[in-house]
Amino acid sequence: AQSVAQPEDQVNVAEGNPLTVKCTYSVSGNPYLFWYVQYPNRGLQFLLKYITGDNLVKGSYGFEAEFNKSQTSFHLKKPSALVSDSALYFCAVRELGDNYGQNFVFGPGTRLSVLP
Amino acid sequence: DAGITQSPRYKITETGRQVTLMCHQTWSHSYMFWYRQDLGHGLRLIYYSAAADITDKGEVPDGYVVSRSKTENFPLTLESATRSQTSVYFCASGTGQGAFGGNQPQHFGDGTRLSIL
Repeated sequence: AQSVAQPEDQVNVAEGNPLTVKCTYSVSGNPYLFWYVQYPNRGLQFLLKYITGDNLVKGSYGFEAEFNKSQTSFHLKKPSALVSDSALYFCAVRELGDNYGQNFVFGPGTRLSVLP
Repeated sequence: DAGITQSPRYKITETGRQVTLMCHQTWSHSYMFWYRQDLGHGLRLIYYSAAADITDKGEVPDGYVVSRSKTENFPLTLESATRSQTSVYFCASGTGQGAFGGNQPQHFGDGTRLSIL
């Protein structure tokens, strides 16, 4: 069964500095990988996904993520953090060809705080 | 506007009562999901539905009942609420399997915060 780890519960970064939110995954086959963001009292909002092709994926709000197959990682990055980026971030994985309904697995979430 | 709507947004009830959380989507997505979000557990799948009249259990189905008579609605019922079911509940939808559907993200509602006293 697939699994997702987000090794940091909390990430703090100063406004204007680059940010990284880490995600590692485990699947037996090829993964589909996703990042979501959750603002207070809101649902999860899709940011970006990796399906195939270029390992660097660009998404909404200036975020990007790098797929690294050898390290089974899919870290979320942004070159210059904004205070408005402060939120809870979730990594998710499902395995190519697997049951879409049952096997969409979310990580535990990382709280990002961008300090002014 | 197209989207996914959950109601109510907030609910307080007592142990032993039945409560139903509503979910409505306007995308005509085939798949719909119910998750609960708890501190320390992230998101856990309760039930999902692949189409009208097709439902299946997720990771934590005990104490919950779902139905899907129409594609756009997917209500979640707690038949006899317990304090352990105090949580934030999220409904989601997605296009599911298929050449273009299998790699699509799920889309989430804004959640129902349920407190059981």
